[in-house]
Amino acid sequence: DAGVIQSPRHEVTEMGQEVTLRCKPISGHDYLFWYRQTMMRGLELLIYFNNNVPIDDSGMPEDRFSAKMPNASFSTLKIQPSEPRDSAVYFCASSARGVADTQYFGPGTRLTVL
Amino acid sequence: QQQVKQSPQSLIVQKGGISIINCAYENTAFDYFPWYQQFPGKGPALLIAIRPDVSEKKEGRFTISFNKSAKQFSLHIMDSQPGDSATYFCAAPRIYNQGGKLIFGQGTELSVKP
Repeated sequence: DAGVIQSPRHEVTEMGQEVTLRCKPISGHDYLFWYRQTMMRGLELLIYFNNNVPIDDSGMPEDRFSAKMPNASFSTLKIQPSEPRDSAVYFCASSARGVADTQYFGPGTRLTVL
Repeated sequence: QQQVKQSPQSLIVQKGGISIINCAYENTAFDYFPWYQQFPGKGPALLIAIRPDVSEKKEGRFTISFNKSAKQFSLHIMDSQPGDSATYFCAAPRIYNQGGKLIFGQGTELSVKP
């Protein structure tokens, strides 16, 4: 298996622009997680899905962030409008059996908002 | 906001030495305590995890020691090698009424000198 696939790997945008990050989980994994990593706040869970349904979005920082999972093989994290404080590395991860199971992380998307 | 306190922030060890990283957590919803390893530019990867029906789990040079009464667990890396140089994250489940998900520690940057 190719592992978790994320695109783009790097994104540079200007404040106010819309940003869409994409993720393809490992085939057969029912859980998908979106994380954000910064030096200040460490690794934070933003939202996770089970069978394409959002289960916990309490980590989503504000209404500018939204995530969707239209099918078992694709998810998006959208930021609109983007702000410089959104600059971070965003990881997608998937697992077969849930939170208390191995989470396989993608390579991440490094987002820079100017 | 529940926290997982990880220490030290950084650690320098000589090749062949023992690396020890500690984590303390609050009350949890379920028993699953993983350690993740992250190399620069990569996503975190599961290193070892414990479900504390046991107090210790060993996989090769890596050992988790778990003290349920003290709400602490630690990672020991025996015979540390330069290839172990990475950032290590512990994680603990969030308390029940805040939802079932993992909270990650702030990370420990390990450098193993040859």
